[in-house]
Amino acid sequence: DTGVSQDPRHKITKRGQNVTFRCDPISEHNRLYWYRQTLGQGPEFLTYFQNEAQLEKSRLLSDRFSAERPKGSFSTLEIQRTEQGDSAMYLCASSSPTDTQYFGPGTRLTVL
Amino acid sequence: AQTVTQSQPEMSVQEAETVTLSCTYDTSESDYYLFWYKQPPSRQMILVIRQEAYKQQNATENRFSVNFQKAAKSFSLKISDSQLGDAAMYFCAYRSPPNSGNTPLVFGKGTRLSVIA
Repeated sequence: DTGVSQDPRHKITKRGQNVTFRCDPISEHNRLYWYRQTLGQGPEFLTYFQNEAQLEKSRLLSDRFSAERPKGSFSTLEIQRTEQGDSAMYLCASSSPTDTQYFGPGTRLTVL
Repeated sequence: AQTVTQSQPEMSVQEAETVTLSCTYDTSESDYYLFWYKQPPSRQMILVIRQEAYKQQNATENRFSVNFQKAAKSFSLKISDSQLGDAAMYFCAYRSPPNSGNTPLVFGKGTRLSVIA
C-alpha cells in the first residue's frame, strides 16, 4: 500500500486550455473525494465517488469541471477552458465507508 | 450546513513546550466525527487525530490529545513536548456520520503553527 497518489504534482497552463488530473486511491478504498484548496484556506469539497458512481457534487463544481471514476479505481478531474480563478491545489482523498479520509499530495494548478 | 471555525490564524510555541489549537463548529447533528489534520509546508495532509462524537473519552495519539466539549461544540488540539517537525498548518475538520449519506469533510481555515528552537 503506497497511499493515495496524484499526477501531475504541478501543472502550469494558459487560460482557456483544458487540463486533466489523475488520482489513484488506496486500493481497498471504495470512496474517492476531490477537494480544492486555495492559498490560506482549508480544502473545499468538490465531488465524491462511491465505486464508479458519482454521488455528490458541490456548487463549486461548475459545468467546466467534470470528474470520472471508470471501473471504480482511479479517478480523473478535467477542467475545460481554464480561468485564472481555477488556480489552486487540487486534493484527492480516499476512504472506506466508515473510515478516515487519507489525502494524496495534491496537484498544484497555475493558470496564466 | 455545518461550519468549522479556527480563530487562531497563527500560533507559535517553544520547542519542548505545550501548545493548544482551538476549533469550534456548528451543527444540528448529534452524531459526527471530528478530525485534526496536519499539512507541513509543500507536503501532503496527514491525519493527526480523530474523535467520534458519541465517545465521551478524549482521543489521544502519543503527544497529541484533544479536549472535546460537545455541549460547547469545541474541539481543541493539545500538542505536548513540541518538536521542530510539528511546524505546519493544522486543520480542524467535521464529518457527518456515514449513514447520513453526507460524508465530505468540512474544514476550518487552518492555524499555522511555528516551533521555535
